[in-house]
Amino acid sequence: AQTVTQSQPEMSVQEAETVTLSCTYDTSESDYYLFWYKQPPSRQMILVIRQEAYKQQNATENRFSVNFQKAAKSFSLKISDSQLGDAAMYFCACQTQGGSEKLVFGKGTKLTVNP
Amino acid sequence: EAGVAQSPRYKIIEKRQSVAFWCNPISGHATLYWYQQILGQGPKLLIQFQNNGVVDDSQLPKDRFSAERLKGVDSTLKIQPAKLEDSAVYLCASSLAPAPRDTQYFGPGTRLTVL
Repeated sequence: AQTVTQSQPEMSVQEAETVTLSCTYDTSESDYYLFWYKQPPSRQMILVIRQEAYKQQNATENRFSVNFQKAAKSFSLKISDSQLGDAAMYFCACQTQGGSEKLVFGKGTKLTVNP
Repeated sequence: EAGVAQSPRYKIIEKRQSVAFWCNPISGHATLYWYQQILGQGPKLLIQFQNNGVVDDSQLPKDRFSAERLKGVDSTLKIQPAKLEDSAVYLCASSLAPAPRDTQYFGPGTRLTVL
C-alpha cells in the first residue's frame, strides 16, 4: 500500500508571494497518480492539480504548479501570486492503478495567507 | 451542475447510539466513496461503490459500520453503536468512472460528535 508524507503541518505566505508545499510518497506500483487537494475552512475539498506518474512534464493549473521528482518520490506544490482565497488545508494524495487503488492522503498542510 | 449533497451537516450523539448519513452523488456518477476524516488527519477511505456493488470495503469496521447504495444513486452510511473514536467528518465523494482515471468530487461532509 502507498504512503504519503507531508512534513509541514503549517505554512504561511504573504499575499502576492510564492509558497511551496512539500510532499513525499512511497509506492511499489509503477502506475500511479498524484494529487493536491484544497480544503477551505468549513467548505468542501476540491482538486487543485493532478499528475500522472508516467508523464515527465510537470502539471500546471494557472497559479498552481508541481515539481514531480519521480526518482526521489517527491511531489511539491508551488502557489504563485498567493491570494487570500488560497488559505486552506492542502492535502497531497496518491492513487495507484493496480494494487490497492485507494486514494491515500497525507495529513495535510495548513496554509495561511497574510495580507 | 449540482455537486455532491450530504445530510445532515452536523450530528451530535451519545456513545452507543446509532446514526445515519445520507449522500446524493453528482448525477450520472457511477462510483461513490465514503471517507472518514479524523481531526488533524487526511481522509481515509471506508467504502467504494461501483453502481450498487461494493468494490472495496477493506477499511470499513464492519462490526459497527454499514453502507448501502440500493439503486445505484443515493447512499447511506450507518454507525451502530457509535464509539467516542467515531467522532470525525464523514465525506462522500463521487466520480463518473472509478478513479484515478476520473476525478473524485467531494461533498461538504457530515461532522459527527460522539459524547
